[in-house]
Amino acid sequence: AQSVAQPEDQVNVAEGNPLTVKCTYSVSGNPYLFWYVQYPNRGLQFLLKYITGDNLVKGSYGFEAEFNKSQTSFHLKKPSALVSDSALYFCAVRDIGATDSWGKLQFGAGTQVVVTP
Amino acid sequence: EAGVAQSPRYKIIEKRQSVAFWCNPISGHATLYWYQQILGQGPKLLIQFQNNGVVDDSQLPKDRFSAERLKGVDSTLKIQPAKLEDSAVYLCASSPRPLQVRSYEQYFGPGTRLTVT
Repeated sequence: AQSVAQPEDQVNVAEGNPLTVKCTYSVSGNPYLFWYVQYPNRGLQFLLKYITGDNLVKGSYGFEAEFNKSQTSFHLKKPSALVSDSALYFCAVRDIGATDSWGKLQFGAGTQVVVTP
Repeated sequence: EAGVAQSPRYKIIEKRQSVAFWCNPISGHATLYWYQQILGQGPKLLIQFQNNGVVDDSQLPKDRFSAERLKGVDSTLKIQPAKLEDSAVYLCASSPRPLQVRSYEQYFGPGTRLTVT
């Protein structure tokens, strides 16, 4: 069975400082990995994904994430955080090796990011 | 391009009552998902449609929840009768159907916040 762990309920960072949101996963085969962001009273917005290829993936709003197969991690990063980055961030995984052809997306519990001026 | 539309945005009902949620996916998206997001948790897939057929409803409480997708476009999720633990945000998402559907991100609607009293 696939699973996702986001070990931090909340991450606090000052504006202008680097931001990292951690994510580790467990799958039986190879993963497809996704990051989504959720602002208050809004649905989830897609940020970036890792499917194959370069381990460093660049996405929307200056975010990037690094796929590390040996550590089974897919941490989200931003070099310089903005107050407007304050939101709830979700990591999600699909198991390519799943027997069903549709591949259920498993979400982590989310990490609240608070960026202070 | 218009996004995923959902209605209503908010709903308050008493336990044992029934409720229905509506979703209109992005035009041309063949895959439609309903998720339940309980406060403090990541979204959990309830049901997945491919066109108007169900491909995964393994986590749908079928004794009280039902869903349909008429003509492969709009979808309705119903709860009857509602329980207190059904209080959550119900998210609808859609995705195009290329050959590798599992590699594609999902596009989420704003959600319906259900409160059962």
